[in-house]
This record gives sequence, C-alpha cells and structure tokens, in this order.
Amino acid sequence: DSGVTQTPKHLITATGQRVTLRCSPRSGDLSVYWYQQSLDQGLQFLIQYYNGEERAKGNILERFSAQQFPDLHSELNLSSLELGDSALYFCASSAMGRNYGYTFGSGTRLTVV
Amino acid sequence: DQQVKQNSPSLSVQEGRISILNCDYTNSMFDYFLWYKKYPAEGPTFLISISSIKDKNEDGRFTVFLNKSAKHLSLHIVPSQPGDSAVYFCAASPYTGNQFYFGTGTSLTVIP
Repeated sequence: DSGVTQTPKHLITATGQRVTLRCSPRSGDLSVYWYQQSLDQGLQFLIQYYNGEERAKGNILERFSAQQFPDLHSELNLSSLELGDSALYFCASSAMGRNYGYTFGSGTRLTVV
Repeated sequence: DQQVKQNSPSLSVQEGRISILNCDYTNSMFDYFLWYKKYPAEGPTFLISISSIKDKNEDGRFTVFLNKSAKHLSLHIVPSQPGDSAVYFCAASPYTGNQFYFGTGTSLTVIP
C-alpha cells in the first residue's frame, strides 16, 4: 500500500456521462497530481493541486475539472465522456520539494462504452 | 509534444545479464530526473533519481547515468532478475517547478 488511495478501481460508463474519480493523498502530502495513461501513451500530466489551490495545469480537457478539498483529498470530474477518454487515471501525491518524486495510487481504470 | 521520450517500447534480457533502458529529453530546463517501475494493476513506484549536478547515481543493482550535453539518461540494471520484469518510466522536472513529465515507458522482460 503506497498510502495514496484511489477509488473506484474500475469504472464502466456510457458516452456522454459524467464520472468522479477520488483520491486520498499520502498522510502529510499537500500536493496532488492527476495523470492520464491511455493505451501506448506515457503518463500525461493533467493537473496539480497544492493545499487546496490549483498549482499547475497540463493537457487537461475543458470537459475535465478537479478540486482539492480542505481535508486534502481530491476529485477529478470527467464529463461528456467520449470513447477516447477510456484510460487509466492515476493520482499521485508529494511532500514539498522534488527529491523523492511522487507516490502514486494504483489508478482508476475508466472504460467508456 | 512529448518532452521525454523512451524510444524502445520493449526490451528482453536474459537473467543475470545487464538491462539498459534509455530516455531522451528535449527541454533544457529539466534538471531532475527519476525512474519509476510499474507492475500491472499497480501504480508506478519510485526507483532512483539523479540531479543534473551529477552524471551518475547508484543504488544497489540500479545505476542511472545522465549525459546533459546529449539530453540523454539511461538506467542500468545489473544483474537483471525475473522480478525486474515491469514497465519502466523515466520522468523529468524543470528547475522552475516540481511537476514531472513522463516518457511512454519501456516494458522490460527478464527471461529466466
């Protein structure tokens, strides 16, 4: 157990629907990152939050949004889902600084049918 | 635009031999690099890091080499073991922030 908890582990939904992915960071970590891994793709950075505030944005679609709550858990909201949104979505957390990289959760596998 | 590239999607190596995984980057602002290992159905786990002030970092069987002029890093695993079979991602971070950019991964298979 890495200490980063992602729920649900699997999600199957239809096109046009909206889903929410949840992440609880490792205890003490203030930063949360969301990454998307599509087939044959690397980990694409979506968005970072630090202590409740958006810190950096990557290739996140306008249909996607995220937030980090006062208890530091984060949610990634995906709406108007398309087949191409099917992917593994990873959450990671980190303490201040880069020295130890991120701690990743085990991911949520989203399948859009 | 993929700023971190791993051009070999897969690599097979005999047990006991050396595994060399390569990674290239394009952004000259990158100054901190990590390697992650990922097993199926698990998230990536941190393996080893290197800062741009070094050209080599070693941790047991794992050594990372950095060639800044070529914007190239490599991960050497010696000796390779079947348990090393996994997908390996390299990641790079610019000195302007702590966001990491990941490569597409190399799937390593160590054959017993």
